[in-house]
Amino acid sequence: EVQLVESGEDLVQPGGSLRLSCAASAFTFSTYAIHWVRQAPGKGLEYVSLRRRTFYADSVKGRFTISRDNSKNTLYLQMGSLRGEDMAVYYCAREVCWFDPWGRGTLVTVSS
Amino acid sequence: DIVMTQSPDSLAVSLGERATINCKSSQSLLYSSNNENYLAWYQQKPGQPPKLLIHWASTRESGVPDRFSGSGSGTDFTLTISSLQAEDVADYYCQQYYSTPYTFGQGTKLEIK
Repeated sequence: EVQLVESGEDLVQPGGSLRLSCAASAFTFSTYAIHWVRQAPGKGLEYVSLRRRTFYADSVKGRFTISRDNSKNTLYLQMGSLRGEDMAVYYCAREVCWFDPWGRGTLVTVSS
Repeated sequence: DIVMTQSPDSLAVSLGERATINCKSSQSLLYSSNNENYLAWYQQKPGQPPKLLIHWASTRESGVPDRFSGSGSGTDFTLTISSLQAEDVADYYCQQYYSTPYTFGQGTKLEIK
């Protein structure tokens, strides 16, 4: 079964850093673009970033960086200078034009 | 960036009745080379990730009940649930994948009346 699994859930102080991981299985990881999408508590879906064309939303540009380890079929989201508005569930999703599948998400809490 | 606007923000429909959610894009999502509309619909239930329902604006994903249908072209799209079931209570999002960033509508909360 094609699957994405996020990890890295943590409580971080404002200004802190955190790295999230997205592990892929049952498909050729290197041939697909993978996206990060986040959802703040009670809010809608916000597009964050894309690997392959290395695109970042304005809200995270200069603070977040994507990287990948093809040997581990894993995509990373390095987040820095975290703010309260970055608090959200972070999903990774495979692009097949549309997004499918999505991982179950990992929660990032930003609080002092 | 392409702006996606859904209406209404919330909707209450009686069981067995029709539910209609609209989605409007700030520019056309119709790609002339293949005559496809680059629009998807997702369903999200509490505590779960979004689930793909429809792509190419009107193609139902495998396993999605046929009471769900998508229509529209260009800048105006509609998701219709022909006969609302209790398990359809969820948030629904449209998304354009015509150009990066692949933006989402703000979501529509569907409830039982």
